[in-house]
Amino acid sequence: DTEVTQTPKHLVMGMTNKKSLKCEQHMGHRAMYWYKQKAKKPPELMFVYSYEKLSINESVPSRFSPECPNSSLLNLHLHALQPEDSALYLCASSQGELMNTEAFFGQGTRLTVV
Amino acid sequence: KNQVEQSPQSLIILEGKNCTLQCNYTVSPFSNLRWYKQDTGRGPVSLTIMTFSENTKSNGRYTATLDADTKQSSLHITASQLSDSASYICVVSAGNQGGKLIFGQGTELSVKP
Repeated sequence: DTEVTQTPKHLVMGMTNKKSLKCEQHMGHRAMYWYKQKAKKPPELMFVYSYEKLSINESVPSRFSPECPNSSLLNLHLHALQPEDSALYLCASSQGELMNTEAFFGQGTRLTVV
Repeated sequence: KNQVEQSPQSLIILEGKNCTLQCNYTVSPFSNLRWYKQDTGRGPVSLTIMTFSENTKSNGRYTATLDADTKQSSLHITASQLSDSASYICVVSAGNQGGKLIFGQGTELSVKP
């Protein structure tokens, strides 16, 4: 099983809503990532979790709140988003640090903020 | 500054033809270089990953090359198929910050019948 599963596939939310994106992998990977990708642009790193601890936060606004409940799950809690936050949100995982290991990406959640 | 530059930005070829995509990088320290294929609205899928000591790696009709001296890589696609239409992203892993991925802007490939 080399899958990273993201739910939901599509999400439309208002600026006052609270929603969560979910990511799951069962490959035993100990590093998990959230990326944000705008149309025709490369993915931008948001957060890195290593062994269930937040190791990198790329100065992401606090309206995005990551959570790693266990080694297989990664959530991204959304609150008071802006229309410019509309994007494809990608989750990825790797066995360890990316210097030596493959990164597997999920299919993404297409988020639209109205 | 760590950068990955790809060319061309976009490419249109006929089905069955071959093509080569280019990637130049200035990432230091270098750890490895990856090529990903990304269909519109989907997550990237890994094609190849090469370390400093590897010059060529193949995955079916995809062959990647790496010249670590000139800091250049190429992705050659043989006998293209309509399903090859996608964005191809060159990604270099930096040998610090846990191997942070530096993404190129991608080459948008369109294969026409």
